[in-house]
Amino acid sequence: RKEVEQDPGPFNVPEGATVAFNCTYSNSASQSFFWYRQDCRKEPKLLMSVYSSGNEDGRFTAQLNRASQYISLLIRDSKLSDSATYLCAVNKGWGKLQFGAGTQVVVTP
Amino acid sequence: DAGVIQSPRHEVTEMGQEVTLRCKPISGHDYLFWYRQTMMRGLELLIYFNNNVPIDDSGMPEDRFSAKMPNASFSTLKIQPSEPRDSAVYFCASSSGINTEAFFGQGTRLTVV
Repeated sequence: RKEVEQDPGPFNVPEGATVAFNCTYSNSASQSFFWYRQDCRKEPKLLMSVYSSGNEDGRFTAQLNRASQYISLLIRDSKLSDSATYLCAVNKGWGKLQFGAGTQVVVTP
Repeated sequence: DAGVIQSPRHEVTEMGQEVTLRCKPISGHDYLFWYRQTMMRGLELLIYFNNNVPIDDSGMPEDRFSAKMPNASFSTLKIQPSEPRDSAVYFCASSSGINTEAFFGQGTRLTVV
């Protein structure tokens, strides 16, 4: 089993719709969690950190479920510009940051 | 802040040649990471440093790969000899603390022919 797993998608989403997807991690001692966005042939860029209480940044909401060992990302009112690959990152401790393979989101007009 | 700077952006080399990738982390960041990204394997952590000291190199695929960080503002990843299966995008990233986010450089796209 991979340490950090994501559904590769693609998730095809009509513009204006809501999409949500998860990322599971295997190490219960993981300390911190992040969502990154990666556009084609570009570097990953931080989208948001994921806090235990959940957090929201505009149309994006991130949740952490420690009991089931997953994090989630929800995008409301999807825009064409949201089309990208979303990578989850898990800090296993001692600063070691591991990434999932990414979930592709395609927003269609 | 200039961000993480990697060079070269693109590298095409022949099998058997030595390749050196370079990275300048964000000033003040104590952690530096080298990742490799391919379609098949995604983003793999190769090695990371804390205060210039290698902490975990378990992701380095073979002895052909080596990484150094001689000072806080410079790191290299070397492949010798290179092979076609090393073709990938190599990212360097840095972070400021043990549980903080990492910031990525633009990557080096390596093609070994």
